[in-house]
Amino acid sequence: QVQLVESGGGVLQPGRSLRLSCAASGFSFSDYAMHWARQAPGKGLEWVAVIWYDGSNKYYADSVKGRFTISRDNSKNTLSLQMNSLRDEDTAVYYCAKGWRVVDVWGQGTLVTVSS
Amino acid sequence: QSALTQPPSASGSPGQSVTISCTGTSSDVGAYNYVSWYQHHPGKAPKLIIYEVSKRPSGVPDRFSASKSGNTASLTVSGLQAEDEADYYCTSHAGNNTLGVFGGGTKLTVL
Repeated sequence: QVQLVESGGGVLQPGRSLRLSCAASGFSFSDYAMHWARQAPGKGLEWVAVIWYDGSNKYYADSVKGRFTISRDNSKNTLSLQMNSLRDEDTAVYYCAKGWRVVDVWGQGTLVTVSS
Repeated sequence: QSALTQPPSASGSPGQSVTISCTGTSSDVGAYNYVSWYQHHPGKAPKLIIYEVSKRPSGVPDRFSASKSGNTASLTVSGLQAEDEADYYCTSHAGNNTLGVFGGGTKLTVL
């Protein structure tokens, strides 16, 4: 079945960098756009970034633009999120999710905690 | 990228119906028939329950229905059951050169 498994979360200090990964299986990964979304403690869901099926286009939330980079490796069915210059407000559960206008499958998420 | 507006909470007794609204603008909800609704139980992956305004994915009970009028979308949960207690989020496509936008979420309580 379709499965998305995030990894790479952890606890780190403000200003540091972290790279999240998402392993996809059960579908033709290279045919679909992919998203990263997040949920901060006590807050709602927020789209963070999206990448086209072939990597040709990428869009970011204003809150992460210039600091986060989304990428994908279609040969390895893997989605990534490079997060630089992390801030306290980036603390959240990060989810990868499949699709563009209709995002139909989500992973279980990985927790990123930014704290001094 | 302004958030869609949802009521923070809603409630109903088992067997009753409850409707959750989701208000956007003419640039998102009003412009596209790509409104989705997610059910989110804490600690779990969000689950798609409605897509393209009113379509249900396979396996989602027909107790869940949705519609759109102008800039406002609505989700109705009929015949409330205890397991429906969760957070519900709407999201809308907002154009081909930008991310979509979420509502702030509605906590549904089954009394």
